[in-house]
Amino acid sequence: DIQMTQSPSAMSASVGDRVTITCRASQGLNNYLVWFQQKPGKVPKRLIYASSTLQGGVPSRFSGSGSETEFTLTINSLQPEDFATYYCLQHNSFPLTFGGGTKVEIK
Amino acid sequence: EAQLVDSGGGLVQPGGSLTLSCTASEFTFTNYWMTWVRQAPGKGLEWVATIKPDGSDKSYVDSVKGRFSISRDNAKNSLYLEMNSLRVEDTAVYYCMSQFSSTSHYCGQGALVTVSS
Repeated sequence: DIQMTQSPSAMSASVGDRVTITCRASQGLNNYLVWFQQKPGKVPKRLIYASSTLQGGVPSRFSGSGSETEFTLTINSLQPEDFATYYCLQHNSFPLTFGGGTKVEIK
Repeated sequence: EAQLVDSGGGLVQPGGSLTLSCTASEFTFTNYWMTWVRQAPGKGLEWVATIKPDGSDKSYVDSVKGRFSISRDNAKNSLYLEMNSLRVEDTAVYYCMSQFSSTSHYCGQGALVTVSS
């Protein structure tokens, strides 16, 4: 099974900050890596797929990068609506596995 | 507007059964791998099961193998999750989701399953 280690688990940031969230996989993922955003009480929303492709309609301040076993979600100039929990998901092989989540809170 | 609508959640006693449904509209359901993901109260997301577009291949997380069954009816644009021998730890909101690698991605609104005596 592929283990996904996501860091940090929580962070405080200010509006305008640049935020970086990392997911490390225990095996190579062939870029089958997705990033989700979830706000309290809401449905998870896909932001990035294929490790770096921005979902249509998602602001360009979100970007994904990385390959094989290390992946990064970057939010440039954090906005008030970006305070949420972010999850990575590998779908390279079964069982699919999520990272533990990163809660981005207001500083 | 393309969407997935989850239904069938509810309160069930430990050891009981429940079947969730997910109905797709305004997109070509038959082309998509489909997945169930769940989220226990206050916890993160957990993959549960995935089914191939033609239903010929299915995969499950270990904790539900032998108890849950994923299926689909492409003529009805519907996905199902039959859950048997339910445990307290199966309590969660269950989301159906479409293929993760496609240009478009859809997620149901979630169905709450509560397993309690």
